[in-house]
Amino acid sequence: KQEVTQIPAALSVPEGENLVLNCSFTDSAIYNLQWFRQDPGKGLTSLLLIQSSQREQTSGRLNASLDKSSGRSTLYIAASQPGDSATYLCAVPGSSNSGYALNFGKGTSLLVTP
Amino acid sequence: EAQVTQNPRYLITVTGKKLTVTCSQNMNHEYMSWYRQDPGLGLRQIYYSMNVEVTDKGDVPEGYKVSRKEKRNFPLILESPSPNQTSLYFCASSLVGGPLNTQYFGPGTRLTVL
Repeated sequence: KQEVTQIPAALSVPEGENLVLNCSFTDSAIYNLQWFRQDPGKGLTSLLLIQSSQREQTSGRLNASLDKSSGRSTLYIAASQPGDSATYLCAVPGSSNSGYALNFGKGTSLLVTP
Repeated sequence: EAQVTQNPRYLITVTGKKLTVTCSQNMNHEYMSWYRQDPGLGLRQIYYSMNVEVTDKGDVPEGYKVSRKEKRNFPLILESPSPNQTSLYFCASSLVGGPLNTQYFGPGTRLTVL
């Protein structure tokens, strides 16, 4: 059974700092991995999708890496800003009963202080 | 603007009173799904639909019904809501292949069942 874990559960950093969020998964046979952002009162926004054949994916100040063999992905945020404060979730396809579901980690709540 | 919309955004109801949460997408996506998000449990899939008239159970389908009569709409029906269905609900859509593609989420519906 695939399990997705995110550490730390919460993180507070001063503005301008570079930071890394971690995601681990138990079954390395994944098709892809997605990173989402969730803001209070809003839905999830897809940030990056990394295919299993890729090592990393970049969008602006965000860089996501994928190491299937070790079951890990990291989301690197450069020069953090208060507007980056949100909960970040990673997800892989497949869950306990549904091959057509996303299996989510419980998220890292990020606070960037001015 | 490409988006997934949900209505209502907030709902307080009483046990046993049937309700429907609507979901609509304007991206011509084949795949749609419903998730619920609960503290400590994360996001779990309720039902999904691969296309019109094709629906299937996710991880936590008990107490819910869905229908997919039109490509753009995927309503979630609670025939007899109970307090354990108090949760934050999200609708999502994507191109054919479901979680193998980027998922687009609605803003969420916060449901309280008294």
